Amino acid sequence: NAGVTQTPKFRILKIGQSMTLQCAQDMNHNYMYWYRQDPGMGLKLIYYSVGAGITDKGEVPNGYNVSRSTTEDFPLRLELAAPSQTSVYFCASSPLADAVYEQYFGPGTRLTVT
Amino acid sequence: AQKITQTQPGMFVQEKEAVTLDCTYDTSDPSYGLFWYKQPSSGEMIFLIYQGSYDQQNATEGRYSLNFQKARKSANLVISASQLGDSAMYFCAIRLGFQKLVFGTGTRLLVSP
Repeated sequence: NAGVTQTPKFRILKIGQSMTLQCAQDMNHNYMYWYRQDPGMGLKLIYYSVGAGITDKGEVPNGYNVSRSTTEDFPLRLELAAPSQTSVYFCASSPLADAVYEQYFGPGTRLTVT
Repeated sequence: AQKITQTQPGMFVQEKEAVTLDCTYDTSDPSYGLFWYKQPSSGEMIFLIYQGSYDQQNATEGRYSLNFQKARKSANLVISASQLGDSAMYFCAIRLGFQKLVFGTGTRLLVSP
């Protein structure tokens, strides 16, 4: 199993550009999440999904969009990049039937907006 | 409102000694979960240990144990016999509501030889 994979690993965007951060998991997990981690801070939840076709906002959703058409994929879209979106983005997933609900994290995407 | 508080921005410990990383939380939900994650300099998030709010005993995983004091709303991580490879950022997190994790700001641990 590859677990949770994210592409790209690094990206530099100019202000106003758009991009999609890709996230895929091969563990058949129902729940998937996007977090951002600003320098020296903990992770903050952007969006999450409890299954294909169902998404909801987290703590910091402004400037982002998500979709979940399959169980495996959960892409994050930035429409008009701003310097405030410079951060490390983590995707995570967790299983439905699990008492612990441990979240399994991808390796992260480091995004710089200049 | 701050849900998770880690008051130690940095901690130092000598190899082979034990260290305690503090975490306090705030919730009125009777059902919640507490997690500790390790983030080495390479950046990935590594799950260390979990404590459920109804668990009677403190969780242990190898050299890691969680000192859970429910009445004080604290969930401190204890690392016994520190190793150089334990140098990393450590994050406490609480699972509130439907699966969402709220993270603290982290504690940087440095283990010296």
